Amino acid sequence: DARVTQTPRDKVTEMGQEVTMRCQPILGHNTVFWYRQTMMQGLELLAYFRNRAPLDDSGMPKDRFSAEMPDATLATLKIQPSEPRDSAVYFCASGLDRASNEQFFGPGTRLTVL
Amino acid sequence: GESVGLHLPTLSVQEGDNSIINCAYSNSASDYFIWYKQESGKGPQFIIDIRSNMDKRQGQRVTVLLNKTVKHLSLQIAATQPGDSAVYFCAEAHTGGFKTIFGAGTRLFVKA
Repeated sequence: DARVTQTPRDKVTEMGQEVTMRCQPILGHNTVFWYRQTMMQGLELLAYFRNRAPLDDSGMPKDRFSAEMPDATLATLKIQPSEPRDSAVYFCASGLDRASNEQFFGPGTRLTVL
Repeated sequence: GESVGLHLPTLSVQEGDNSIINCAYSNSASDYFIWYKQESGKGPQFIIDIRSNMDKRQGQRVTVLLNKTVKHLSLQIAATQPGDSAVYFCAEAHTGGFKTIFGAGTRLFVKA
């Protein structure tokens, strides 16, 4: 069955290192979302795309985070340089541009920055 | 990935009982509401949605109620099962837009 896939599933890195998280949306979906989940803040929307164009990235720290969609089958979220406060689970979700806003979530990438 | 942890409201129910999970939303302009379920180590999963022109919608064992007057949403789970144990999030959005705002979540424990 169709699923959103994310890689890596777990990432441990040291402060200052670059981190790249990847997401493959469900084939045919044209909206992609990046969320961050922490114990303190819950589920926060970082950025989202429609037809590969960024619509809103106001939830993302601009100085260190960047989100792109090189093509319709790949979305990336980069952090450079990473900091311990970036430690969280990062979820990608995809959906269809239609009346329903239902989003299909991937399994997440657990990031630990030491 | 872990679900949101220690500071979540928690509901504990006996297996077979009905569960009611409540949520207050913030934006009067929101006209589309969704409930998601997140099991430990997984991403949120869509359960049921409702539009603002409705006040009730039923699915399989679940019912969502919407009270726009007080900006309140509830999820009712009938005959709760151990597999229903998870964190439940309500979310609000605007039809035609894409930005979805998630609530803090409620952790449901089902006692066997």
